[in-house]
Amino acid sequence: QLVLTQSPSASASLGASVKLTCTLSSGHTNYAIAWHQQQPEKGPRYLMKVNSDGSRTRGDGIPDRFSSSSSGPDRHLTISSLQSDDEADYYCQTWDTGIRVFGGGTKLTVL
Amino acid sequence: QVQLQESGPGLVKPSESLSLTCTVTGGSISSYYWSWIRQPPGKGLEWIGSIYYSGSTNYNPSLTNQVTISVDTSKRQFSLKLTSVTAADTAVYYCARDTYNHGMDVWGQGTTVTVSS
Repeated sequence: QLVLTQSPSASASLGASVKLTCTLSSGHTNYAIAWHQQQPEKGPRYLMKVNSDGSRTRGDGIPDRFSSSSSGPDRHLTISSLQSDDEADYYCQTWDTGIRVFGGGTKLTVL
Repeated sequence: QVQLQESGPGLVKPSESLSLTCTVTGGSISSYYWSWIRQPPGKGLEWIGSIYYSGSTNYNPSLTNQVTISVDTSKRQFSLKLTSVTAADTAVYYCARDTYNHGMDVWGQGTTVTVSS
């Protein structure tokens, strides 16, 4: 079964960097994923696609402060130079024939 | 640039059907998948289903008996129908453009649907 696992919460200081992780289930460890940001009281916004080799395709207007990497089943989103409006929920999402799957989301707090 | 806008009733009675429409502006509806996603209060995102512009559909297995998604390419709209709703179907409903192998890259602003008598 295709499942994405995310830690419920993360925190980092203003101006620092933070690395969020999304883990693919066994048997699906070479899948690509997408990252989405949901700021408080807003709809989700597409950030990027991350491939199994860590390469990425950012969405329109997404700054290069948002980067990615991959290691085995893990897909990482790194946000550098944290700003106050980076405080949001971050969801990973993947796909297979006939199905789309979301991770449970990580709530990022900027201290 | 492509924009999506959900529309439909904000209040639905239990056991009735929920119907929403998503209108696509600023771009073509062709050659893409189009998805519905919902978010219950205080919870995460749940994929409901997707439709290709040609009309082929895929649904979340947990909702397949309840869901129908359709597309009208002439109006650049796609629609969601959820039957026999209960309070558990109360959520913000989003539509999204689904590029399939790049993820859902354009989202609507969402519409809140409350199931209550």
